Amino acid sequence: DTEVTQTPKHLVMGMTNKKSLKCEQHMGHRAMYWYKQKAKKPPELMFVYSYEKLSINESVPSRFSPECPNSSLLNLHLHALQPEDSALYLCASSQGGGAYEQYFGPGTRLTVT
Amino acid sequence: DQQVKQNSPSLSVQEGRISILNCDYTNSMFDYFLWYKKYPAEGPTFLISISSIKDKNEDGRFTVFLNKSAKHLSLHIVPSQPGDSAVYFCAASDRNAGGTSYGKLTFGQGTILTVHP
Repeated sequence: DTEVTQTPKHLVMGMTNKKSLKCEQHMGHRAMYWYKQKAKKPPELMFVYSYEKLSINESVPSRFSPECPNSSLLNLHLHALQPEDSALYLCASSQGGGAYEQYFGPGTRLTVT
Repeated sequence: DQQVKQNSPSLSVQEGRISILNCDYTNSMFDYFLWYKKYPAEGPTFLISISSIKDKNEDGRFTVFLNKSAKHLSLHIVPSQPGDSAVYFCAASDRNAGGTSYGKLTFGQGTILTVHP
């Protein structure tokens, strides 16, 4: 089973809203990632959690707040976003410990109005 | 500074023929390389990877070749099928960066492959 699930599939939010994106994997992977992808561009890394601890924050604005409640779940809390934050948000996981293939979820298409 | 480059934005191939997608990198610290396929409105799907200690890795119709001296890798798909039509991303990782046990991936810009029936 190489499935990473993400909810919701689509999200429209206003600039004053607070919302959360959710990601789940049951592959026993110990590293989880958030990426942002704009149209016709490659995925851009935002955050990495390794063993449930935040390991990398790629200088992401504080209006994006990640959370890793346990080894299977990853959340991305959104607050006071800007229209330019509209994008496909991808979650990925990898086994860690020398295995570097990352497995991606289907993404959440976010539109900020 | 784009450390991973896919210089061909698109490639068109006839069904049954070979598709060759190319990727160049500049960071000599990269030691692990991956190819992903992406359909519209879906997440990237892992296809195949190769470590820098190898120069070839094969999985079914997919073969990745690595030329370290040229800092170049390529993905060969034989035979190409219409279902292979997608965007293909090359990605690279420096596994020793920060002493971590996971890989931070740097992606190329992608190549749109179209396989015609």
